[in-house]
Parts: sequence; structure tokens; C-alpha cells
Amino acid sequence: DAKTTQPTSMDCAEGRAANLPCNHSTISGNEYVYWYRQIHSQGPQYIIHGLKNNETNEMASLIITEDRKSSTLILPHATLRDTAVYYCIGRSGYSTLTFGKGTMLLVSP
Amino acid sequence: ETGVTQTPRHLVMGMTNKKSLKCEQHLGHNAMYWYKQSAKKPLELMFVYSLEERVENNSVPSRFSPECPNSSHLFLHLHTLQPEDSALYLCASSQARMGGENEQFFGPGTRLTVL
Repeated sequence: DAKTTQPTSMDCAEGRAANLPCNHSTISGNEYVYWYRQIHSQGPQYIIHGLKNNETNEMASLIITEDRKSSTLILPHATLRDTAVYYCIGRSGYSTLTFGKGTMLLVSP
Repeated sequence: ETGVTQTPRHLVMGMTNKKSLKCEQHLGHNAMYWYKQSAKKPLELMFVYSLEERVENNSVPSRFSPECPNSSHLFLHLHTLQPEDSALYLCASSQARMGGENEQFFGPGTRLTVL
């Protein structure tokens, strides 16, 4: 599975868009990009995943570059409850998810 | 609510005790997982069950023993644990399918403290 690189932490003002970057330059053609988040002391929560095309659901949007070497998770209107650690994971086939250290997103008033 | 429940939510046990963690999923999934999350460390995969057969074991110590009696239930039996086993133990489930898409849904976890 592709190694992913994320910033350690980010800040965002409440109501603004939060754009969380992820580099996955070694990603292979059949690997999906998954995003999860974990609010303190809770289980991780699935957010979104994609392969090539940009994806959107009720939680977020996922923008994947054309070369697939990086992606951005967008929370369009961040709230205080979006404060969490966000994990970007590359995964293929039947392999399991490997969580890294993620990005600690702090949303402030 | 993710459709994955875990009991108990908190557990304190001595090193000589035997206890079990329980996980139940109400999503009709065919794969279940145990993860361990120690303080300030990434999640570590412990066990995977797919279609009730264990398919992966990442060299977890034998004092942890999983059991998957059916596709909806998963147990983690604990015996003679060490203080360093204190952690958040998370259960997850997914519908593994051809093509590799495999969103995992996690339970709230069991906070385990070994004295």
C-alpha cells in the first residue's frame, strides 16, 4: 500500500472551509485513497474514499490530482465538532487499512 | 451510531485475570477486525476475520485470543495481560468485496487498564 504524508496539525476557523492535504506519490493504479477521522477517545469514523475521480458526500469532498500523487479532503464549512485527527490511507485489493499519525485539525471559534 | 457496538466500554483488570471483550455489528458485513490504540501511537491491526475465518494475524502475543462465532459477533479473550497492554481496543467491520472497496466502520472502543 502507498505511503502517505500529511501535515502534523492544521488550524481552521469555524465556518470556513478546511482543506487537508495528503501526499501519496507512490500510489499504484489500483489503490484507493481513504479518509477517516478520529475524535478524541472515540473510534475512527469513515469519511470518504476515491480512486481517480473527485468524490463528494454529505460529510466532505475529496479532490484527487490527475497524476494521483496527492489529494485534498475538503470540509466545506468546518464546525467545532470537526476537531479531530484526520487520516489519509492508501489501500488496494483485500489489504487492510494501515493508519499513520494523521493530521490534527483544530477548529476554533 | 455506526452499527458496531462494543462492550464493556471500560475495563480494569489485574494481570492474573481473564476477561473478554465483545463486539457486535448490525450492518450485515462479512469481515470484522480488532485494532489496538496505545497512547500517542497509531492504530495497530491485531486480527482480521473474513467470512468467519481468520485471515491475518500480525504477530500479536498469545495472551490475546480472538474468537468469531459468526459474522456478526467478535470476541477478544484476554488472559495474563501486562500493564503495557493498557490501551483502547477497537472493533471494526466491513463488507469486503471484489474490486477492493472496503470501508470499515468502527465501534466506540473498550478502554482497557491493566494493573
